Amino acid sequence: DVKVTQSSRYLVKRTGEKVFLECVQDMDHENMFWYRQDPGLGLRLIYFSYDVKMKEKGDIPEGYSVSREKKERFSLILESASTNQTSMYLCASRRPQGGNTEAFFGQGTRLTVV
Amino acid sequence: AQSVTQLGSHVSVSEGALVLLRCNYSSSVPPYLFWYVQYPNQGLQLLLKYTTGATLVKGINGFEAEFKKSETSFHLTKPSAHMSDAAEYFCAVSVTGANNLFFGTGTRLTVIP
Repeated sequence: DVKVTQSSRYLVKRTGEKVFLECVQDMDHENMFWYRQDPGLGLRLIYFSYDVKMKEKGDIPEGYSVSREKKERFSLILESASTNQTSMYLCASRRPQGGNTEAFFGQGTRLTVV
Repeated sequence: AQSVTQLGSHVSVSEGALVLLRCNYSSSVPPYLFWYVQYPNQGLQLLLKYTTGATLVKGINGFEAEFKKSETSFHLTKPSAHMSDAAEYFCAVSVTGANNLFFGTGTRLTVIP
């Protein structure tokens, strides 16, 4: 069974902390994504990576950075957490072939910044 | 650029009634279309997808969707709602060469006993 695993289901962090969200996939997918999900706004792309050490900004990259040192692992970093980053964060991976492949999602990390 | 519009952020149906969740897409090239379901505090799970070929696509849990190019639509249906169908549903579009899927804002389905 294919899997995308996010390291935490729930996190509570303080304002100003540096926060790491980790994601691992076992499908040897080239593409990995970080989305943020908020009520009424759907899924918004923060960053994606199409290869090791390669990344591209999505729609809302401000306040975030990413790291992809190994193909299977994609990390999202909140450099200095703020309350407006309280949200559900979803990691996904996907094979890039032709655009007709589905994305596989992790179970999500619900982050609360206090 | 591609985009998806989901009409109705909340839909309520009675148990046993028809489920219809609407999705319209915008794309200048032939699209690939997806429906995902999200149960509370979970990630997204693929229900079905349209790539090429037959325009009526069957998915898991009795759901199906029909690609209608003339209407730029990909509505999701299920003949008879179950309580277990209560969840949030997302429509998404992609095209050849695109790394990303573009998601709609979601429709929350409530099933009334």
